[in-house]
Amino acid sequence: KQEVTQIPAALSVPEGENLVLNCSFTDSAIYNLQWFRQDPGKGLTSLLLIQSSQREQTSGRLNASLDKSSGRSTLYIAASQPGDSATYLCAVSSWDSSYKLIFGSGTRLLVRP
Amino acid sequence: DGGITQSPKYLFRKEGQNVTLSCEQNLNHDAMYWYRQDPGQGLRLIYYSQIVNDFQKGDIAEGYSVSREKKESFPLTVTSAQKNPTAFYLCASSIAVEAHYNEQFFGPGTRLTVL
Repeated sequence: KQEVTQIPAALSVPEGENLVLNCSFTDSAIYNLQWFRQDPGKGLTSLLLIQSSQREQTSGRLNASLDKSSGRSTLYIAASQPGDSATYLCAVSSWDSSYKLIFGSGTRLLVRP
Repeated sequence: DGGITQSPKYLFRKEGQNVTLSCEQNLNHDAMYWYRQDPGQGLRLIYYSQIVNDFQKGDIAEGYSVSREKKESFPLTVTSAQKNPTAFYLCASSIAVEAHYNEQFFGPGTRLTVL
């Protein structure tokens, strides 16, 4: 059974710092992995999707990498800003159940001015 | 302006009542999903639908029901059989459920509270 873990659960950094959020999954037979952002009381905003054949995806100050063999993905945020404060969730879909996203419990990020 | 809308934003339910949460999308997506989110936890799949007039149970379907009479709409009913319904409910859609087309996009959510 696929399980997704995100560590740490919470992170507080000063503005301007580069940071890395971690996501690990137990079954490497994934089709793709998505990173989402969730602001308090809001829905999820899709940030990046990485197909299993890809190693990384970039969007602006965000870069997501995928290492299927080790069951890990990282989300790199460059030059963090207070507006980046949110909860970041990763989710994987597997080859045998592509309809379903398996979510981690998220990392709550606070960027201090 | 394409997207997914959910209503109401907040919903209060008395014990023993059924309530229905609305989800509408104008993205022309075939697949739609309902998730439940509890504090400090990831999302869990309640039901999904691949196409009109078809839907399948997810991991936590007990106490919930859905319908898919129109492509744009996928309402979720929380019945009195759901023992702990207080949660944040999120609707999502994707082009299809099959891999390569299953990037999911989410609505703003409905917070349900049982009084």
